[in-house]
Amino acid sequence: EAEVAQSPRYKITEKSQAVAFWCDPISGHATLYWYRQILGQGPELLVQFQDESVVDDSQLPKDRFSAERLKGVDSTLKIQPAELGDSAMYLCASSLAQRQGEQYFGPGTRLTVT
Amino acid sequence: GENVEQHPSTLSVQEGDSAVIKCTYSDSASNYFPWYKQELGKRPQLIIDIRSNVGEKKDQRIAVTLNKTAKHFSLHITETQPEDSAVYFCAASMNFGNEKLTFGTGTRLTIIP
Repeated sequence: EAEVAQSPRYKITEKSQAVAFWCDPISGHATLYWYRQILGQGPELLVQFQDESVVDDSQLPKDRFSAERLKGVDSTLKIQPAELGDSAMYLCASSLAQRQGEQYFGPGTRLTVT
Repeated sequence: GENVEQHPSTLSVQEGDSAVIKCTYSDSASNYFPWYKQELGKRPQLIIDIRSNVGEKKDQRIAVTLNKTAKHFSLHITETQPEDSAVYFCAASMNFGNEKLTFGTGTRLTIIP
């Protein structure tokens, strides 16, 4: 069964450093989402892509976060500079097409900022 | 924007009994309501979902009910088993799930053997 892939699985970085996460959605899934999940809470959307275009980045802290999906397939989320409050699980999800809806999540990247 | 509230935050039930988790949403435009199960350190996994044109959906021991008028939906797990222990999240979305999911705060379900 196809799954969403993410790397790295764990990342420890010092504050003010740059960090990047990678996501490879399920093949053929045009919609890709990046969520942030703080321990003990539900995931919250950071950015949504439809193919290579951003369709919702209203909750993305654009002064330090950036995301791209250049060829409409895999995606990278970057934080620069990292802050202590960025420690969380970063989850990538993908979904197939219009009217399908089901979002499938990757294993996540657990970020710890020290 | 959409706001989803989920209750209870923790739930313990004896093995074999039923468990019910309830969620309310604020935006009447939401029309897709999935439930995710997340085991410790693992990815959220979709276990069941319901669209606004349906009032109830069942899959073996799991069922979801939706009341659009009251804007609430519930997850029902019957004949609970130890492997049902996990954190369960409800969520709501517009455009039949092709927009962002707004999640509830989660329910930690513990099945007591």
